[in-house]
Amino acid sequence: DVKVTQSSRYLVKRTGEKVFLECVQDMDHENMFWYRQDPGLGLRLIYFSYDVKMKEKGDIPEGYSVSREKKERFSLILESASTNQTSMYLCASSFFSLRYNYGYTFGSGTRLTVV
Amino acid sequence: GDSVTQMEGPVTLSEEAFLTINCTYTATGYPSLFWYVQYPGEGLQLLLKATKADDKGSNKGFEATYRKETTSFHLEKGSVQVSDSAVYFCALKSNTGNQFYFGTGTSLTVIP
Repeated sequence: DVKVTQSSRYLVKRTGEKVFLECVQDMDHENMFWYRQDPGLGLRLIYFSYDVKMKEKGDIPEGYSVSREKKERFSLILESASTNQTSMYLCASSFFSLRYNYGYTFGSGTRLTVV
Repeated sequence: GDSVTQMEGPVTLSEEAFLTINCTYTATGYPSLFWYVQYPGEGLQLLLKATKADDKGSNKGFEATYRKETTSFHLEKGSVQVSDSAVYFCALKSNTGNQFYFGTGTSLTVIP
């Protein structure tokens, strides 16, 4: 069964800590995405990547960075966690195609609480 | 830019009731349209999709028809079950890129 695996389901971190959220996919997908999900705001795109070592800013990149050293792994980094980054974080992946419309495969999410 | 608007929730229905969740979109060109479902405590799962005008996507008793003339992709189910309780997201993917645009989600609760 194909999978997108997020390393933690729940995390509690302190303000100012550096936080790493890991995402691994086993489908050989080119595209990987990080979203945050907040009540009333839906899903907002933080960063995405179409290839190894490639990254693009999404709609709300401030306070975040990403790393993609290997095709299967896409890490989200909170450089200095703040309470307004308390949220559900969702990783997704897909094949790259401008011709065929593949859907995303999502991980189960990481619920991060910053105290 | 591209965007999706879906009806606000929450929606509460009795078991076996008819469900409609409205979704309209704004996009240039010919996007593909999707419905995703998120069960409590889980990530999003693809429910159904349609890639061109007049296509009907269907899965698990849910249906949605891609209406270009009204720029809509409304989700319907004839008889909901308690197990359908979840959050439903409408999404589009433009034909010029690989990024998806999601609606804000509609929470559905089905009561016995």
